Parts: sequence; C-alpha cells; structure tokens
Amino acid sequence: DAGVIQSPRHEVTEMGQEVTLRCKPISGHDYLFWYRQTMMRGLELLIYFNNNVPIDDSGMPEDRFSAKMPNASFSTLKIQPSEPRDSAVYFCASSLGRGPLSGELFFGEGSRLTVL
Amino acid sequence: AQKVTQAQTEISVVEKEDVTLDCVYETRDTTYYLFWYKQPPSGELVFLIRRNSFDEQNEISGRYSWNFQKSTSSFNFTITASQVVDSAVYFCALSVGWGKSTFGDGTTLTVKP
Repeated sequence: DAGVIQSPRHEVTEMGQEVTLRCKPISGHDYLFWYRQTMMRGLELLIYFNNNVPIDDSGMPEDRFSAKMPNASFSTLKIQPSEPRDSAVYFCASSLGRGPLSGELFFGEGSRLTVL
Repeated sequence: AQKVTQAQTEISVVEKEDVTLDCVYETRDTTYYLFWYKQPPSGELVFLIRRNSFDEQNEISGRYSWNFQKSTSSFNFTITASQVVDSAVYFCALSVGWGKSTFGDGTTLTVKP
C-alpha cells in the first residue's frame, strides 16, 4: 500500500503569496494530522481531522492558515498570505482510530516551505 | 495538558556502544499511549513503538528495547550495540485517546564509526 503522499516536496515562494500544501492519507485511515517542524519550535500539531471533520485547530498559528478535508482521501493546508516565519517543514500524518495499529502515526515525507 | 520532556538534546556514541534515550511525560489522564518515532537524516518520521498506559511490560525488538515505568512517568528507549544507521533524531510522544499526540523536542543521536 502507498504511504501518506504529500505535495509539493519543496516550495519556495515570496512573502505575500498563497501557498497550498496537499496530502493524501493512507486509505482507510480515519484520522489526519498536519504538523509543522522548525528548529525553534520542534514538532507542532496544527490541526487534525477525524472522518474528514476538523476536531482541533487550536494549533493553527493565525487566520492566515486554513485547512480542509473535502473527502477521506485528500486534505489541503493553505497559507495566505505567506510570511518568512512560515518557513518550515510541514508534515501530514494519518492514523487509524481502531484496531491493533490504532494511534500510530504514519507520516508523509513532508513539504519543505521557504518563504523569501 | 500533556507534556513530554526529552532532557537529552544530543547524544554522541561510538559504534557498538549501548545508549539510552530518556523520556519523561506528564498527564492527568489514567489512559494514555506512549510512542517513539525515529527521524533519520532523510527527514521522514517513522513509527517505532506504541505502549498503552495499562501495559507496563517492557519490550524488546532486536537491538531496541523500551522500559516503561509509570511510577516515574518514564518511557526510556535503549539501543544495544549501536550502529551508524541508528543516527537520527528520536522523538517520544504522548497521546490521550486517538487524537492529538504531544511530541517531545527530540534527541539527536550520532553514532560514530
């Protein structure tokens, strides 16, 4: 089975531009998470979904960030407008909420965002 | 609120040495789950182990072993006979329910040949 797929792998953009990161979770997983990793702040949970419904978005830094999950196989994280301090690696992860593998996070390879 | 502390920021060992990575957690919940993840230089995060709060049995998987002690709120990870390929950042994480996991800051392990 394919793992979590994220795109783009690398994104370089200029301040003020809109950035959209995409994620395809593992088929059958009912939880989807967006994390951000920086040297200063480590791994931060931004938002997570259960059965496509946002459950906790308290980690979203500000209104410039938004996330959607229109169906079970696709999610987006959008930053508009982007700022240099948004530069980070953004990870998408999915997991099962039941069964012997429940709770284990399966991460994508990450999207490295650089905002100039 | 949940908290995970990995006091060791960086550890450097020589190949074949044993090394223990410490993890201390805080939670008021009686049911919780503990995890270890590995992030090699390539960047992806890989799941290593999950432990339930009601199961304090230690676990061994090859050169890896985990020591879970509720009395000290610790979930330590030992690599026996370390190898260069073990060089990575290791994260301990805590989850209450199947929702959000709280990660520690990670321990960077360098294994020198």
